[in-house]
Amino acid sequence: DVKVTQSSRYLVKRTGEKVFLECVQDMDHENMFWYRQDPGLGLRLIYFSYDVKMKEKGDIPEGYSVSREKKERFSLILESASTNQTSMYLCASSFGRAGQETQYFGPGTRLLVL
Amino acid sequence: DAKTTQPPSMDCAEGRAANLPCNHSTISGNEYVYWYRQIHSQGPQYIIHGLKNNETNEMASLIITEDRKSSTLILPHATLRDTAVYYCIVRVYGGATNKLIFGTGTLLAVQP
Repeated sequence: DVKVTQSSRYLVKRTGEKVFLECVQDMDHENMFWYRQDPGLGLRLIYFSYDVKMKEKGDIPEGYSVSREKKERFSLILESASTNQTSMYLCASSFGRAGQETQYFGPGTRLLVL
Repeated sequence: DAKTTQPPSMDCAEGRAANLPCNHSTISGNEYVYWYRQIHSQGPQYIIHGLKNNETNEMASLIITEDRKSSTLILPHATLRDTAVYYCIVRVYGGATNKLIFGTGTLLAVQP
């Protein structure tokens, strides 16, 4: 079974702090994704990566950056956390390209920024 | 924007089959139908996907109409643990982006 793990289930940070969210997958997947999920807005793609050291902006990259130094690990960084970044953050991974590959999700990190 | 329409909620008795409908009347020939579910406060879980043929796996069956404008996800023997929001998604094969677009989904409540 594919396993995608996220470093924390719940996280509380203060405004202005630098926040690191870690995601690790154990299936040698090429593709990794970061989404955020908010009530009424569904899942929105923040960043994704097709390979090590590669990254692509999603729909809402502002205020975020990512790092993919190893194939199995994809980190989401909030350079200076703000209250509007309070959300559920979901990491996903998949194998293959374009459309038919299945994305597998981690359990999510619920971030509260005070 | 989501390209699918689902009822907001459904009930099902435990042990009975749950049939979740999805309308995707504007689906294109190269778009797959995917189903995911999300149990409260957890990440979405992949269930099944298909193009035009009916599909079955250990979790569910997917029935796609001949004109591909709608589909039904069938959970053959629903249990309380199947209570979740079920999302029907259409995805382009060969598209430029791999993002998933989740609509509002169907909240399936399995009753004891």
